[in-house]
Amino acid sequence: QVQLVESGGGVVQPGGSLRLSCAASRFSFSTYAMHWVRQAPGKGLEWVAVISYDGNNKYYADSVKGRFTISRDNSKNTVYLQMKSLRANDTAVYYCARDRDTGSGSPFDYWGQGTLVTVSS
Amino acid sequence: SYVLTQPPSVSVAPGQTARITCAGNNIGSKSVHWYQQKPGQAPVLVVYDDSDRPSGIPERFSGSNSGNTATLTISRVEAGDEADYYCQVWESSTDLTHWVFGGGTKLTVL
Repeated sequence: QVQLVESGGGVVQPGGSLRLSCAASRFSFSTYAMHWVRQAPGKGLEWVAVISYDGNNKYYADSVKGRFTISRDNSKNTVYLQMKSLRANDTAVYYCARDRDTGSGSPFDYWGQGTLVTVSS
Repeated sequence: SYVLTQPPSVSVAPGQTARITCAGNNIGSKSVHWYQQKPGQAPVLVVYDDSDRPSGIPERFSGSNSGNTATLTISRVEAGDEADYYCQVWESSTDLTHWVFGGGTKLTVL
């Protein structure tokens, strides 16, 4: 069964940085696009970023563009989210999710359990 | 950017049919995906490409999409179906590529 395990969450001060990781297993990681999706406490889902299977294409939500960077290491079966200039409204559970296909409108067929990021002084 | 509108809540008695709508401008021209999220858990894909079901999802879950409204239909609702449901589409143009979620609908089984 596909497994996605996020890590790296925690408490960070406003303006600070954090790097999230998502370790993938039990599927051919290097052939799938990967996403980050977040959910603020008591709120709905918000798509954050996507990276293509080979890392050559990346897209971001307007709310994080210029502050967050998505990357991947296919040799380690891991996708990352580098977050900088964090704000209080970045506080959320961050999920990584597998794109079922190429990242062109296909659904997110597997999700990790999420890692909580809290931005607070 | 593209906006998806869902009712905040839907209530239904066990055994009845629940319909959760997702409204968007000409959404019928897009592929709509639906996710179920139970408290404290990650979302689960229940319907994709408007009306297809992933393996392991009961046939009670179905979807349709036309005009300005997509609908997730849950037949013979069970207590275990109580959850938040989110619709999703992909928005792409020369200027942007985004995935959009609706605001979510809380399904209550009475």
